[in-house]
Amino acid sequence: TQLLEQSPQFLSIQEGENLTVYCNSSSVFSSLQWYRQEPGEGPVLLVTVVTGGEVKKLKRLTFQFGDARKDSSLHITAAQTGDTGLYLCAGESRGSNYKLTFGKGTLLTVNP
Amino acid sequence: DAGVIQSPRHEVTEMGQEVTLRCKPISGHDYLFWYRQTMMRGLELLIYFNNNVPIDDSGMPEDRFSAKMPNASFSTLKIQPSEPRDSAVYFCASSLIVGGGYGYTFGSGTRLTVV
Repeated sequence: TQLLEQSPQFLSIQEGENLTVYCNSSSVFSSLQWYRQEPGEGPVLLVTVVTGGEVKKLKRLTFQFGDARKDSSLHITAAQTGDTGLYLCAGESRGSNYKLTFGKGTLLTVNP
Repeated sequence: DAGVIQSPRHEVTEMGQEVTLRCKPISGHDYLFWYRQTMMRGLELLIYFNNNVPIDDSGMPEDRFSAKMPNASFSTLKIQPSEPRDSAVYFCASSLIVGGGYGYTFGSGTRLTVV
């Protein structure tokens, strides 16, 4: 079973602050995806990274895939209250028949 | 497209009763997935289908759970008999492909409470 460990589990910050959340595994993934989930809704895909060392930017969000394709990070600059939600990373690999395995997530609260 | 549609949004049932959850995937998506989400275990894959055929049901917890996909636009997840430990949010998701980092589209989920 491939495990994805996310840290921190909970994060509460003030609007305008920067933050980084992490997703780590001992397994290699062919791709790693980040989702955001809001209360009462399903996860929504933010980005997919597929190449080791890849960096993708989505407005104030920066995603990085580790060189060895075992870990990833999400950095948010100048957080806004609308960024509040559960951030989930998910990985797929050939060894698991490309089934998407999710971490338990980081619950981010951005306070006004 | 209206996205992945699940029904009902909420279900409260008594222990021992049969529960059926429903899902309509995005048209043209060949893959359909059923996940369960709890605080303790996060999102767990229960089963997935490719072109209406079950491919991997290794995540189905026990024989009380069954899933079907009679056609490309409809799938059900049935629990019979239900138990309190089945209480969770059940999500259906669909995808055009797997293995290419394409990403899944999730429905809004069914919150199941078994009392």
